[in-house]
Amino acid sequence: KQEVTQIPAALSVPEGENLVLNCSFTDSAIYNLQWFRQDPGKGLTSLLLIQSSQREQTSGRLNASLDKSSGRSTLYIAASQPGDSATYLCAVGDMRFGAGTRLTVKP
Amino acid sequence: KAGVTQTPRYLIKTRGQQVTLSCSPISGHRSVSWYQQTPGQGLQFLFEYFSETQRNKGNFPGRFSGRQFSNSRSEMNVSTLELGDSALYLCASGMQGLGNTEAFFGQGTRLTVV
Repeated sequence: KQEVTQIPAALSVPEGENLVLNCSFTDSAIYNLQWFRQDPGKGLTSLLLIQSSQREQTSGRLNASLDKSSGRSTLYIAASQPGDSATYLCAVGDMRFGAGTRLTVKP
Repeated sequence: KAGVTQTPRYLIKTRGQQVTLSCSPISGHRSVSWYQQTPGQGLQFLFEYFSETQRNKGNFPGRFSGRQFSNSRSEMNVSTLELGDSALYLCASGMQGLGNTEAFFGQGTRLTVV
């Protein structure tokens, strides 16, 4: 059974800082991995999708990497802004979710 | 292109009642999956429908059921509501099946059971 872990559970940084969120999974036989953000009480917004054959994907200030052999993915956020404050979730394979990382970016 | 639409956005029901939630996927998407989100358990997978057939099912009691229509719209039904069913219910749609394609989520239905 796929287990997905996200570390840290919460993170608070000052505006402008670069940061890394981590996602680890136990079963490397996955088709893809997807990162989402969720604002309080809202649905999930897709950020990046990495296919199993890819190593990374980039969108604006976001970069996600995937290392299937080690069962890890990272989401890198450059020059963080207060508007980045949200919970970030990774979903692995058949949409097994981690518990998320709650990010707060302070002005 | 319209996103995933969930109705209603908010619901208050009494214990023992039943409820039906609706999800309209993005046009052209054939997969619809449902999730329950609570502060204690996080996001938990309920089931997935693809071309009107249930393909995957999570670990929930039989009180939770669903169906998908020929236009890919899906409904989820919860019978004999319990206080613990209070949650945000999310649906997601995709062109291919779960895990094989990018998933797009609706804004959710907030269900409160009193």
